[in-house]
Amino acid sequence: AQSVTQPDIHITVSEGASLELRCNYSYGATPYLFWYVQSPGQGLQLLLKYFSGDTLVQGIKGFEAEFKRSQSSFNLRKPSVHWSDAAEYFCAVVPTGRRALTFGSGTRLQVQP
Amino acid sequence: DAGVIQSPRHEVTEMGQEVTLRCKPISGHNSLFWYRQTMMRGLELLIYFNNNVPIDDSGMPEDRFSAKMPNASFSTLKIQPSEPRDSAVYFCASTQGTSGVQETQYFGPGTRLLVL
Repeated sequence: AQSVTQPDIHITVSEGASLELRCNYSYGATPYLFWYVQSPGQGLQLLLKYFSGDTLVQGIKGFEAEFKRSQSSFNLRKPSVHWSDAAEYFCAVVPTGRRALTFGSGTRLQVQP
Repeated sequence: DAGVIQSPRHEVTEMGQEVTLRCKPISGHNSLFWYRQTMMRGLELLIYFNNNVPIDDSGMPEDRFSAKMPNASFSTLKIQPSEPRDSAVYFCASTQGTSGVQETQYFGPGTRLLVL
């Protein structure tokens, strides 16, 4: 079954530093990939999504992600992190033949002042 | 738009009691999803409706769980009888349901359920 793996459970960065959150997918063809963010006590908000075309995807809040087929990765990046970016980030895929999302285990981001 | 509305936001109940979670999708959305979030299993799909019809209920854990969507603007997830292992955050999400898998799913704030 198609799935995504987020190898980092917890990441801490300093405010203003760059950020990269890792996501690896297991799937033969080009998958439908998503990044969601969950702030404490809140629901999930879509940051960006990739289906085809340009492998560099721009999202909201200054985030971007790059699809790399050779590495089976879809890493999320931000050049300069703000304290308000502290949250949990989920990579997700929609498996073939389904409509629902399959989520990774999440990466909790902590931002130091 | 008010977004996806879930009620209650918090629920504390005792083992064996019936629990009903409610969801109102975004107006005009035709697809509705119920997800559950736990520490052990993360975020996982319970059931998905399209045009009020259950399409994929492969994630419904057992017969104690049931979900209904009597109309386009309301869905319920019922647990009867509830057990401590059902403690989790339950999310409802909706999409327009017209453009396939690339549609954005809009999530509600979740219901935090604690079964004692």
